[in-house]
Amino acid sequence: GENVEQHPSTLSVQEGDSAVIKCTYSDSASNYFPWYKQELGKRPQLIIDIRSNVGEKKDQRIAVTLNKTAKHFSLHITETQPEDSAVYFCAASRGSGAGSYQLTFGKGTKLSVIP
Amino acid sequence: DGGITQSPKYLFRKEGQNVTLSCEQNLNHDAMYWYRQDPGQGLRLIYYSQIVNDFQKGDIAEGYSVSREKKESFPLTVTSAQKNPTAFYLCASTPMGVEKLFFGSGTQLSVL
Repeated sequence: GENVEQHPSTLSVQEGDSAVIKCTYSDSASNYFPWYKQELGKRPQLIIDIRSNVGEKKDQRIAVTLNKTAKHFSLHITETQPEDSAVYFCAASRGSGAGSYQLTFGKGTKLSVIP
Repeated sequence: DGGITQSPKYLFRKEGQNVTLSCEQNLNHDAMYWYRQDPGQGLRLIYYSQIVNDFQKGDIAEGYSVSREKKESFPLTVTSAQKNPTAFYLCASTPMGVEKLFFGSGTQLSVL
């Protein structure tokens, strides 16, 4: 089955700096890669996702890059703010779009943005 | 944040006891999922269901059981066979063919 490795497990940055979280996956058939943010005591929420036919996707201060050859993808947060402090999870799946998706999650990265 | 409701928020299990976690959604979503979250371990899939009266095992199904008698409901039973049940349990749902997971607010299960 799929195995997703996520690094680092904790990350501290100064407010305004950039943060990068990296994930690798094992199943070359995986084609969908979402990132979820979980604030303390709250439910995870999707913040951005990318499919295997795209190399990069941006949404304001957040971007995700995908390298299919190397089987890794990364989350980039620019101009970090205190409200970016949370646990971030990457995930991978090989859903076909015809059924449900069985995501395999990384172990998470706790991001702390220091004011 | 309505739409998918989990209850109770906190649950305690005694030795040898089965407990059931509730998950209800009014989003008319076809697929429903149960994940277990342990500190530093990410989210691991326990069971999922794509349609009523059908469900499949995920990566860590041993010691758990589910049912899907109604589209809106997907309860999870933690049986006495699950020797390490203490964890945060998250229910999620999606429309068929959509990747975005909609999560409930979770149930924290602890062993007395």
